[in-house]
Amino acid sequence: ELKVEQNPLFLSMQEGKNYTIYCNYSTTSDRLYWYRQDPGKSLESLFVLLSNGAVKQEGRLMASLDTKARLSTLHITAAVHDLSATYFCASPNTGNQFYFGTGTSLTVIP
Amino acid sequence: KAGVTQTPRYLIKTRGQQVTLSCSPISGHRSVSWYQQTPGQGLQFLFEYFSETQRNKGNFPGRFSGRQFSNSRSEMNVSTLELGDSALYLCASSHSPGPRGGYGYTFGSGTRLTVV
Repeated sequence: ELKVEQNPLFLSMQEGKNYTIYCNYSTTSDRLYWYRQDPGKSLESLFVLLSNGAVKQEGRLMASLDTKARLSTLHITAAVHDLSATYFCASPNTGNQFYFGTGTSLTVIP
Repeated sequence: KAGVTQTPRYLIKTRGQQVTLSCSPISGHRSVSWYQQTPGQGLQFLFEYFSETQRNKGNFPGRFSGRQFSNSRSEMNVSTLELGDSALYLCASSHSPGPRGGYGYTFGSGTRLTVV
């Protein structure tokens, strides 16, 4: 069974600071997905990374994928309060089943 | 363009009862997947349907079942409810089976089920 691990599980950071969330997965996969979830809400798609070396950026968030290392990162630049949410990475196995990471709960402190 | 619609949004049921949740995918999406989200277990895959056929099933007991209709709408049913079934149930749709279509899933707002 594919395992997806995120760290840290909890992240408290000050506004204006930078930080990176890490996502490791256990089997070979050529794609990785990032989602955001606000409390009590559904999952919002952030990034779809479809190949080794893929890098996507949207605002203060940048995601990258290294399929050889089985690692994806979500980098936060100059955090603002609106980025407070839980972030999930997810990887599909060969059977089209989506495996989600444990989530990283991000709190940005003014 | 309408998103993924799940009904009802909230539901309270008693142990032993059964429940049916509904999901209408984005127009043109033929694949529907269901996930259970709990604080302890996180997001867990329940099953996936494409063109009215179940393509994948997660590690859940037989009390959890689903189906998909010809218009791609899907329902999931949980029989003999247990307290541990309390969760947020999320439905997701995509163009093709599984997220490997390249676009990932679009999720609905979920149904919050509470079993008392």
